[in-house]
Amino acid sequence: KNQVEQSPQSLIILEGKNCTLQCNYTVSPFSNLRWYKQDTGRGPVSLTIMTFSENTKSNGRYTATLDADTKQSSLHITASQLSDSASYICVVSAWGKIIFGKGTRLHILP
Amino acid sequence: SAVISQKPSRDICQRGTSLTIQCQVDSQVTMMFWYRQQPGQSLTLIATANQGSEATYESGFVIDKFPISRPNLTFSTLTVSNMSPEDSSIYLCSVTWAFGEAFFGQGTRLTVV
Repeated sequence: KNQVEQSPQSLIILEGKNCTLQCNYTVSPFSNLRWYKQDTGRGPVSLTIMTFSENTKSNGRYTATLDADTKQSSLHITASQLSDSASYICVVSAWGKIIFGKGTRLHILP
Repeated sequence: SAVISQKPSRDICQRGTSLTIQCQVDSQVTMMFWYRQQPGQSLTLIATANQGSEATYESGFVIDKFPISRPNLTFSTLTVSNMSPEDSSIYLCSVTWAFGEAFFGQGTRLTVV
């Protein structure tokens, strides 16, 4: 069964600290993996997209990694800001099917 | 990238009524989708909006409850019919390019009372 599991479910950190969010998937065949940021009450916004051959992709303070062998991805946020408070959703595509993780809810405290 | 305008952004509706959500894209796209996101949950695909033909619905969703129109390659509507409190959700329009990257509208937050 195609599944995308994210951890932790929620995370609270202090402003300025780093954090790493995890995504494990059992989707096959794999097409690409994307991380989205979703602010409360808004639509998801794409942060990174990686194909099978890519291991790392950065977008400002966001760095995503992908290990296609272990079917794991991570999203690392550096020097967190209050505006990083949001849900982060891992999305895996497979032959036209898009499977969403449930997301990690990140809270940044001042 | 694509700019997607979705409206209304939010609404509070009486049970038994219907609400039509509009999605406008700034360029022609082949694939348009409608998703539902219930509180604290992941996104669930309702249907694929097909231009010139009936929408393709996912398991658990039917046309009578969620009629969809797609009159051209830049516009689609989703209607939530005969609403009940269980329909309270965020409804999202999405488009996908050939490479697979998906873009989302800002969502419609629906509350049914």
